[in-house]
Amino acid sequence: GAVVSQHPSWVICKSGTSVKIECRSLDFQATTMFWYRQFPKQSLMLMATSNEGSKATYEQGVEKDKFLINHASLTLSTLTVTSAHPEDSSFYICSAREWGQGATEAFFGQGTRLTVV
Amino acid sequence: KNQVEQSPQSLIILEGKNCTLQCNYTVSPFSNLRWYKQDTGRGPVSLTIMTFSENTKSNGRYTATLDADTKQSSLHITASQLSDSASYICVVRGAGGGNKLTFGTGTQLKVEL
Repeated sequence: GAVVSQHPSWVICKSGTSVKIECRSLDFQATTMFWYRQFPKQSLMLMATSNEGSKATYEQGVEKDKFLINHASLTLSTLTVTSAHPEDSSFYICSAREWGQGATEAFFGQGTRLTVV
Repeated sequence: KNQVEQSPQSLIILEGKNCTLQCNYTVSPFSNLRWYKQDTGRGPVSLTIMTFSENTKSNGRYTATLDADTKQSSLHITASQLSDSASYICVVRGAGGGNKLTFGTGTQLKVEL
């Protein structure tokens, strides 16, 4: 199956700093990428949908100025958590949908564990 | 409101035993249903994906069933192994409206010796 890679796998940062998470589709072109957040023992919650070359669409309640998303190419989307606070500590997961594959398969990255201290 | 409910919430079985996980959904209109396995601290990995017309689909020791009339699905795991210990998530994609995914909260499976 297609491979989606996230980097870093885990990161610890100080409160008030910004953290960038990368999501790459390694062997296919992804017109659409999705960013999720998952708290312990809870399901994935969609934060935003990222389309290559256009602005991301954020879910209700997600601050677009705090969670900056850039999808500059068909293989890379980035999520930047700005001015991170301890409550932003979570597991962030991206997924990518392959170009031309309609609404069939979405492949997930391995996730990034963010801890804000 | 689109919802996906899974049961049981958690399950402990002995290695070698079989188990069945349940998923009920209210997503409409329906496009497809997927089962994912998520190891702790990792992203979900697809096990099966089923469309409206498919009733059963197997992937090794995993067999998923779908009853689109009753909006129910199950995931049967045969001859469980210690490595099957993970969270199993049922995800339903709706048709139209951005084709969004609705996630279940998962069943936490633990396989013990």
